[in-house]
Amino acid sequence: AQSVTQLGSHVSVSEGALVLLRCNYSSSVPPYLFWYVQYPNQGLQLLLKYTTGATLVKGINGFEAEFKKSETSFHLTKPSAHMSDAAEYFCAVSAGGSQGNLIFGKGTKLSVKP
Amino acid sequence: DTGVSQNPRHKITKRGQNVTFRCDPISEHNRLYWYRQTLGQGPEFLTYFQNEAQLEKSRLLSDRFSAERPKGSFSTLEIQRTEQGDSAMYLCASRWEGSSYGYTFGSGTRLTVV
Repeated sequence: AQSVTQLGSHVSVSEGALVLLRCNYSSSVPPYLFWYVQYPNQGLQLLLKYTTGATLVKGINGFEAEFKKSETSFHLTKPSAHMSDAAEYFCAVSAGGSQGNLIFGKGTKLSVKP
Repeated sequence: DTGVSQNPRHKITKRGQNVTFRCDPISEHNRLYWYRQTLGQGPEFLTYFQNEAQLEKSRLLSDRFSAERPKGSFSTLEIQRTEQGDSAMYLCASRWEGSSYGYTFGSGTRLTVV
């Protein structure tokens, strides 16, 4: 069965600092991995996804993530945080490979200090 | 195309009442998903449709919950005899099965049972 673990329910960084949000997954099939962002009282917006191919994936708003099979990780990074990045971030894995629904982690709330 | 639309955005109901939510997916998307998100948690899969057929239901979907997608277009999620534990954000997502996992989420319906 597939599962996702997000380390750290809250992460706080200063504006301009590196953002690192951690995600580890468990999957019995080659994983399809996603990062979503959620602003208060809003739905989920896709930041980036990994399906196959290049393991470093670039997304919107300057975010990127690297798929590391040996570490079963898909950590999200951004070189320089902006105030507008403050939100909740969810890592997800697709259950059952290419045809599955999404299984989400519990989320990491990112705060950005001025 | 205006994305995935969910109505109402907010619903407050008394315990024991029935409620119904509506989701209008992106028109060319044949798959439609319902998720529930409680406070401090990631979204949890409830059910999904391919066209008008309901193909999978989670164990979270108790007998009080029913979902339909007549004619493979919009979908409704009904909760009968609501309980306080049903209070959550209900999210709808849609995608085309052959796409590169382009799940598009709506803004959700926040249900509060008092």
